[in-house]
Amino acid sequence: AQSVAQPEDQVNVAEGNPLTVKCTYSVSGNPYLFWYVQYPNRGLQFLLKYITGDNLVKGSYGFEAEFNKSQTSFHLKKPSALVSDSALYFCAVRDSMDTGRRALTFGSGTRLQVQP
Amino acid sequence: GAGVSQSPSNKVTEKGKDVELRCDPISGHTALYWYRQSLGQGLEFLIYFQGNSAPDKSGLPSDRFSAERTGGSVSTLTIQRTQQEDSAVYLCASSLGLSRSSGNTIYFGEGSWLTVV
Repeated sequence: AQSVAQPEDQVNVAEGNPLTVKCTYSVSGNPYLFWYVQYPNRGLQFLLKYITGDNLVKGSYGFEAEFNKSQTSFHLKKPSALVSDSALYFCAVRDSMDTGRRALTFGSGTRLQVQP
Repeated sequence: GAGVSQSPSNKVTEKGKDVELRCDPISGHTALYWYRQSLGQGLEFLIYFQGNSAPDKSGLPSDRFSAERTGGSVSTLTIQRTQQEDSAVYLCASSLGLSRSSGNTIYFGEGSWLTVV
């Protein structure tokens, strides 16, 4: 079984400050991890993913995420937040061992609010 | 096409009527997914297609929901005898086939907003 948790419903940060959106996961095998962003009344846009290799993954719009196997975490980060980063962020996981379950399992989402 | 295309973008229907939602995946993508997102909520998996077959339809909430895919391309999600609790955004997504790497990225359409009144 695969699951993902986003412990914060909302994260507030001032523009120019670093931001972190938390994500933890549970899988049987190796995880494939994804971050998506959803702007109001829009679909989900892919930001970045971790499949294998370097634990620090860089993605779109200056975002990056760090895979930590011992803590089963994949937190999303950005060094300097922009007001335009305000949106709903989803973490998702797929279990490499579960060949019968091809779809991604999504977290409940974290709303990021960047104040000017 | 350049991205995943869904239609209609918005649909208001009366309780008890049937609705059909259409998804046109990215050209060459053999895997297709339907998710549902209720207002302010997370994403609920409905069904996954590989080609024209559906290896995983475990997320369909009731027998009022069905989906098909033809020609390995366009998919239709049908909801029969709609209920108010069916009101949600229905998101379609596609990815390359999963024969080797299940790390392929899934790309989403803009969604079909369904309101049952």
